[in-house]
This record gives sequence, structure tokens and C-alpha cells, in this order.
Amino acid sequence: NAGVTQTPKFQVLKTGQSMTLQCAQDMNHNSMYWYRQDPGMGLRLIYYSASEGTTDKGEVPNGYNVSRLNKREFSLRLESAAPSQTSVYFCASSRTDAYEQYFGPGTRLTVT
Amino acid sequence: ILNVEQSPQSLHVQEGDSTNFTCSFPSSNFYALHWYRWETAKSPEALFVMTLNGDEKKKGRISATLNTKEGYSYLYIKGSQPEDSATYLCAFNTGTASKLTFGTGTRLQVTL
Repeated sequence: NAGVTQTPKFQVLKTGQSMTLQCAQDMNHNSMYWYRQDPGMGLRLIYYSASEGTTDKGEVPNGYNVSRLNKREFSLRLESAAPSQTSVYFCASSRTDAYEQYFGPGTRLTVT
Repeated sequence: ILNVEQSPQSLHVQEGDSTNFTCSFPSSNFYALHWYRWETAKSPEALFVMTLNGDEKKKGRISATLNTKEGYSYLYIKGSQPEDSATYLCAFNTGTASKLTFGTGTRLQVTL
């Protein structure tokens, strides 16, 4: 099992460009999450999907959109990147909300 | 926004020392408390998920306790080893579940 995979691992964007971060899990988990990690801030929830077909905002959703494409895949889109979105992005999944979360390897995004 | 506070921010111990960290969270509307271990250049990995007041969990030399009435959890490491060096995160979710709020972590460094 690959667990949680994310692509790309690194990305540099210019202000105003758009991109989609991909996440997939092969553990048949119902819930999936997108976090960003900034120095001194800890992990902050951007969006989550409690189950296939549902998505909801987390703590810092502005500037992002998500799609739960199917049970396996949960993508995060930046429509118009801003320097404030420079961060490390982690995708995670869990059986349901009461269970431990499994994290992907992260995507390091720099917006110039 | 729910606040999860961890102390100390960082800790430097010698091999063989035992140590403990604290996680404080709002005691109202409690659902679950998670502990994660995050090694540098890797992704967070779940240690424990605790849901009941008085819960005690153990994994090898690492154990955790939970007091939901007063809103705190302790993580203990017995006989620290260099491979225990990592950031230890706690995270909390309420009765609405799904959304985990993370603390900023306790960074542990164990030297020979």
C-alpha cells in the first residue's frame, strides 16, 4: 500500500498563476483533509471532506477550492496564487473523523 | 477558533532521561485528543487517539494520559533515545468532529 500520495512534491508559481495539488489514498478511508504548515503556526486545516461527495471549510479556506473526485482522491486548487500561500501543504486521510489521520509526504509551494 | 496549547515549546534532554509534555485544550464539547510524532523532513505519524476521560495509552516507551474534565493530556517518554528526537503534536476535535485543531508542538532533541 502506498498510503497517502501527493503530487507534486515541489512547485514554484508566480503571483496570479493557478495550480492544483493532487492527493490520493489507497486505504479506503472515508475522510480526507488538506492542511498548510507555516513556521510557528502549526498545521492549519484548509478544507476537509468527511465522506465522498461532501466538502467543508476549515480554518483557512480563503484562496482555495477543493474537489473530492471520488473516495480515493481529494484535490486542492489555487485559482490565483499569492505570496501568502507560500507554504508546505499536507494531505491526510482517516477512516472516519474519530480515527487517526495518515499524512502524505507534503508539497512545498513557493509563490513569487 | 479553538486553542490547543502545548508546553514546553522545545526540550533538550540526554539519552536515558525520561520526559513529559503537556497539551491543554478546551474541556467543553470534547470529542477526541490525538498525539502525533513528526520527524524532520517526514510527515506526522499518529501515536494515540484518546476519547474517554482517564484514558491511558502506551506504545513502547511512550505513553499518554487524558483528563477531559480539566482539559489536558500528558505525553511521557521513558528512557529517551536519539531516535525519539522529533516534534510531538497534539490535536483536538469537538463534538462536531472532522475538524482537528493542532497545537504548535513540542520539539524534543535527545543527545548522547
